[in-house]
Amino acid sequence: EVRLEDSGGGLVQPGGSLRLSCAASGFTFSSSAMTWVRQAPGKGLEWVSSISAGGGSTYDADSVKGRFTISRDNSKNTLYLQMNSLRVEDTAVYYCAKRFGSGSLDYWGQGTLVTVSS
Amino acid sequence: ETVLTQSPGTLSLSTGERATLSCRASQSVSSTYLAWYQQRPGQAPRLVIYGASSRATGIPDRFSGSGSGTDFTLTISRLEPEDFAVYYCQHYDRSRLTFGGGTKVEIK
Repeated sequence: EVRLEDSGGGLVQPGGSLRLSCAASGFTFSSSAMTWVRQAPGKGLEWVSSISAGGGSTYDADSVKGRFTISRDNSKNTLYLQMNSLRVEDTAVYYCAKRFGSGSLDYWGQGTLVTVSS
Repeated sequence: ETVLTQSPGTLSLSTGERATLSCRASQSVSSTYLAWYQQRPGQAPRLVIYGASSRATGIPDRFSGSGSGTDFTLTISRLEPEDFAVYYCQHYDRSRLTFGGGTKVEIK
């Protein structure tokens, strides 16, 4: 069974940092591209970052470029999102997701809530 | 960047009725990279359709997808109680993803 377990969310002040983790199991993690998607309270889905299977290529939305860094440790089957210089507008539930061959996302974590507030 | 516009914003229907959801792209896109997701309250999204018309694993056959170019449609032939949710379309292009704003299918 494929499982993605998001963790690391919490309350942080504007300008602060947080690192999210996503522990994967039930599939060959090292062969799968991965993605972070977020959802602000009461809003729609927004793509955040993606990383290739080997970790050599990363892609970021303009809204987080230069502040967020996606990475992975294939030896630990874990995906990360390092979030720096957090803003109030980064408040959202963050989901990790496994990318499917056609660019869709076939498995999702349960999400972890990040709240940026003073 | 391709913008996806979903309509209507809200669809009010009864169990057993047919639901037709629209997703329009600001420019022509490959149907290979067009997907639909279902999100129930308090849950993570779930892949429903990929490649514009292929059902994901475990998705019942009352769900179907169609379309090409700039116009795509998700149809639910006969609504079941568990189908009332928000649906998002999504496009993938050069490692970047774009989501539509969503259509809420609510009980009338």
